Amino acid sequence: NAGVTQTPKFQVLKTGQSMTLQCAQDMNHEYMSWYRQDPGMGLRLIHYSVGAGITDQGEVPNGYNVSRSTTEDFPLRLLSAAPSQTSVYFCASSYGTGINEQYFGPGTRLTVT
Amino acid sequence: AQRVTQPEKLLSVFKGAPVELKCNYSYSGSPELFWYVQYSRQRLQLLLRHISRESIKGFTADLNKGETSFHLKKPFAQEEDSAMYYCALKGRGSTLGRLYFGRGTQLTVWP
Repeated sequence: NAGVTQTPKFQVLKTGQSMTLQCAQDMNHEYMSWYRQDPGMGLRLIHYSVGAGITDQGEVPNGYNVSRSTTEDFPLRLLSAAPSQTSVYFCASSYGTGINEQYFGPGTRLTVT
Repeated sequence: AQRVTQPEKLLSVFKGAPVELKCNYSYSGSPELFWYVQYSRQRLQLLLRHISRESIKGFTADLNKGETSFHLKKPFAQEEDSAMYYCALKGRGSTLGRLYFGRGTQLTVWP
């Protein structure tokens, strides 16, 4: 099993550009989530999903969209990138629909200039 | 509101010394708490959760409701324990699907 995979590993965007960060898991986990990791701020939840077709906002959802059309995939879309979105983004999944042991992806380092 | 506080951004100890990483939380009721660890160039992973009452890699963490704390302890630190440690709290009610992380403590164990 590949576990949780994320693409790309690195990305540089200009302010105003849009892009999609990809996340996939092959563990048949119902729960998936996106976090951003910033120095001194820890991890903050952006959006999460408890199953296909169901998404909800986390602590810092502004500027991001998600959808969950399949159990395996949970893409994160940046609508109009801003320098404040420069961060490391982590996708995670867990079994069940609640918070259980989270399995994290390797992260995507995004820089917005 | 649910909140996790890790007061130490950096913590350094020598090999063989005891180590305690502090975590305090804000929560009404019975919390569900976790410790996650991120070793250099590795993925973030679960270290332990309080409901399991287990010892992982020599680490233990006891929930103290009176002090609203969930400190991570190890009696004899090893160099391989050097990592970033995050305390996390499961949300409740309308935030049941959320996991709140502290800001993390970077532990360095010197030889």
